[in-house]
Amino acid sequence: EPEVTQTPSHQVTQMGQEVILRCVPISNHLYFYWYRQILGQKVEFLVSFYNNEISEKSEIFDDQFSVERPDGSNFTLKIRSTKLEDSAMYFCASRIKTGFYEQYFGPGTRLTVT
Amino acid sequence: GENVEQHPSTLSVQEGDSAVIKCTYSDSASNYFPWYKQELGKGPQLIIDIRSNVGEKKDQRIAVTLNKTAKHFSLHITETQPEDSAVYFCPKPGGATNKLIFGTGTLLAVQP
Repeated sequence: EPEVTQTPSHQVTQMGQEVILRCVPISNHLYFYWYRQILGQKVEFLVSFYNNEISEKSEIFDDQFSVERPDGSNFTLKIRSTKLEDSAMYFCASRIKTGFYEQYFGPGTRLTVT
Repeated sequence: GENVEQHPSTLSVQEGDSAVIKCTYSDSASNYFPWYKQELGKGPQLIIDIRSNVGEKKDQRIAVTLNKTAKHFSLHITETQPEDSAVYFCPKPGGATNKLIFGTGTLLAVQP
């Protein structure tokens, strides 16, 4: 069964460094999402991406964040200058197309900022 | 509004018992109701969903029922097993791209 994959599973970085989290959505899906979950808290929406552009973003998704689909398979989240409070699990999700609501999540990347 | 209320926040059952988790919504236009399971350290997993034109859907030991009049939908797990222990969510799809808005979920503990 197709699934969303994410790499790395765990990333440790120093405050102020740039990180890139990678996702490979399910191959025929058209909508892509990033969510994050700070330890012990709710899963929070960050951004949705469709047709090679950002469709919607939350107030968390400020200028430090960016997303890209550099080729036909990868979907990346970049954090330009990490802060301690960026430490969280980051989940990628994908959805097939308009009219189909099922969203499938990847296993997540645990980002630890020290 | 787009609020979804979920009850209970924690649920402990004995292995083999049934578990029921309920979500209440306020938006009459809602037409899709998913349930996700999140095990510790893992991503949310879609386990079952239902559309507004259906009253009940079943998949082996899990089922979802929808009461549109009362605006609530419930997850039913029968013959619970320890591996059912997880946090269960009924996130609300919203916005132009149906992003999911998660609440705090229900922590289900199945005691062996």
